[in-house]
Amino acid sequence: GENVEQHPSTLSVQEGDSAVIKCTYSDSASNYFPWYKQELGKGPQLIIDIRSNVGEKKDQRIAVTLNKTAKHFSLHITETQPEDSAVYFCAALSMNRDDKIIFGKGTRLHILP
Amino acid sequence: DTGVSQNPRHKITKRGQNVTFRCDPISEHNRLYWYRQTLGQGPEFLTYFQNEAQLEKSRLLSDRFSAERPKGSFSTLEIQRTEQGDSAMYLCASSPPGGSNTGELFFGEGSRLTVL
Repeated sequence: GENVEQHPSTLSVQEGDSAVIKCTYSDSASNYFPWYKQELGKGPQLIIDIRSNVGEKKDQRIAVTLNKTAKHFSLHITETQPEDSAVYFCAALSMNRDDKIIFGKGTRLHILP
Repeated sequence: DTGVSQNPRHKITKRGQNVTFRCDPISEHNRLYWYRQTLGQGPEFLTYFQNEAQLEKSRLLSDRFSAERPKGSFSTLEIQRTEQGDSAMYLCASSPPGGSNTGELFFGEGSRLTVL
């Protein structure tokens, strides 16, 4: 089955700087890669996703890149703000084969004032 | 509020007792998922339903765990003879029709179980 590795587990960046979180996956059949943000006491919430037919997607300060050959994908947050502090999870899904999303272990992002 | 609703939000129980969690998905969503999340970990898949049919169960779901979705609407997750290792956050998520094509899961806020 699919295995998703995520790093770093903890990341601290100065407010206004950029943050990058990286993930790798094992199943070449995976074709959908969402990123979720989880704030304290809440369930994860989708912030951006990318499908295997594109290499990059951007939404305001957030961007994701995908390298299918290397089986890795990354989340980039620019101009970080205090409200970006949270735990971020990458995930992978093979939409052609099954319907369960497999999550990485998460990255706790701290935005320093 | 039209989001995914879970209750109870917190449950403290003694080892050996049974507990049941309920999830009410977004009304037009036909797929419902249960995940378990322990401290410092990502959500781990337990099981999912399409309408009332339970389509897959993880090996994490021992025979002490049972999930139902009797009318294809709300779902319950029951844990019998709880063990301390069952302590976790139990997350429910739903997705709309054509979910595998859409991919997005909408999560509830979870039910936190503490087994003493």
